[in-house]
Amino acid sequence: ETGVTQTPRHLVMGMTNKKSLKCEQHLGHNAMYWYKQSAKKPLELMFVYSLEERVENNSVPSRFSPECPNSSHLFLHLHTLQPEDSALYLCASSQGTHRTPNEKLFFGSGTQLSVL
Amino acid sequence: QKEVEQNSGPLSVPEGAIASLNCTYSDRGSQSFFWYRQYSGKSPELIMFIYSNGDKEDGRFTAQLNKASQYVSLLIRDSQPSDSATYLCAVIGGNKLVFGAGTILRVKS
Repeated sequence: ETGVTQTPRHLVMGMTNKKSLKCEQHLGHNAMYWYKQSAKKPLELMFVYSLEERVENNSVPSRFSPECPNSSHLFLHLHTLQPEDSALYLCASSQGTHRTPNEKLFFGSGTQLSVL
Repeated sequence: QKEVEQNSGPLSVPEGAIASLNCTYSDRGSQSFFWYRQYSGKSPELIMFIYSNGDKEDGRFTAQLNKASQYVSLLIRDSQPSDSATYLCAVIGGNKLVFGAGTILRVKS
């Protein structure tokens, strides 16, 4: 496989459920990102990992918990979400680390999340 | 004031015409500028980047940057129905990448 792969593509969960989103990059990149995309809003950066170290957490609620076990894999653990958390969650990777501008992002296909 | 502003559209152009997509940004110190294309139901894909004032051409696409006016644009020549998508402007300033909300482009055949 090449590029950035995300699973699952679609997820429906209740507010009391716990689920995880998975991302894997096959590009040999050093940085990985979680973005949230809501309708008609700009992409919102949630978390950045550089060389497996979390370097940015954009005031994301604690019901979202990221995990980066190695430079190729990134998870987003979800628990007790709210309906307003329904959105497209995109994983991305880039060649540079947090010490270089995070340019030229390569995105996964995203997980469309619906919270009931 | 939004950091990166784009007209949401939709911008409708006939097939074969030039589509002009515009973006303004608020951080005067911004250094790098990107255009991503996002088809409906798909993820964003980088199509152009520009760092210096002036024009940069790649096939049917031309990115234009004017740092004095804090303005970056994307021109698509000979627009095709396959160019119909949302175009996201992204700007790096202060080591932070900020996206605009995107402009919907519709090319009518």
